[in-house]
Amino acid sequence: GAVVSQHPSWVICKSGTSVKIECRSLDFQATTMFWYRQFPKQSLMLMATSNEGSKATYEQGVEKDKFLINHASLTLSTLTVTSAHPEDSSFYICSASAPGLESSYEQYFGPGTRLTVT
Amino acid sequence: GENVEQHPSTLSVQEGDSAVIKCTYSDSASNYFPWYKQELGKRPQLIIDIRSNVGEKKDQRIAVTLNKTAKHFSLHITETQPEDSAVYFCAASKGNTGNQFYFGTGTSLTVIP
Repeated sequence: GAVVSQHPSWVICKSGTSVKIECRSLDFQATTMFWYRQFPKQSLMLMATSNEGSKATYEQGVEKDKFLINHASLTLSTLTVTSAHPEDSSFYICSASAPGLESSYEQYFGPGTRLTVT
Repeated sequence: GENVEQHPSTLSVQEGDSAVIKCTYSDSASNYFPWYKQELGKRPQLIIDIRSNVGEKKDQRIAVTLNKTAKHFSLHITETQPEDSAVYFCAASKGNTGNQFYFGTGTSLTVIP
């Protein structure tokens, strides 16, 4: 149980274009989803927290107009990187949490999306 | 906000020896401390976690200790095996659903056969 998927697993896009990444909780309803970015050989940096039906809360230094997050349902959150540039190339990982699961403190991570901007 | 520091950044041990990774946190309200193992290009995998009402937790070869007063917690891996080689991250959270995780900087563990 508590499976989170991401799509796509990798994507290459040209500079200036936008790309959307989907995060789905497959067997539970996720009241809260989180988006992280991980550069090579670095830690996971929290970008934003999204709750179903409300606006995402962004961490300091993360541009909300560049990284658009939508959490329209209890099983789906999307991250859109707008006007992508090479410095946005990174590994993007989502996670989800929900009350009622065996360990409600835990976050369940997706497999990540490798974004390369050329 | 929370600040989590992790040491060492790299660690090499001989197979069969023990490995210890240490983390400190800054926010005394944090009460949930998970440890993750991450292989290259993969998602982080929870290996053990501890809540602030417990000082120590053990699961086979893996143990975690927590010192709330000093605001530090440690991961102990005994009888290391080559398959333990990976990057390990600690994290701190205020617990409850919907609370953010703040990760340490990671430790690259290499177990030498």
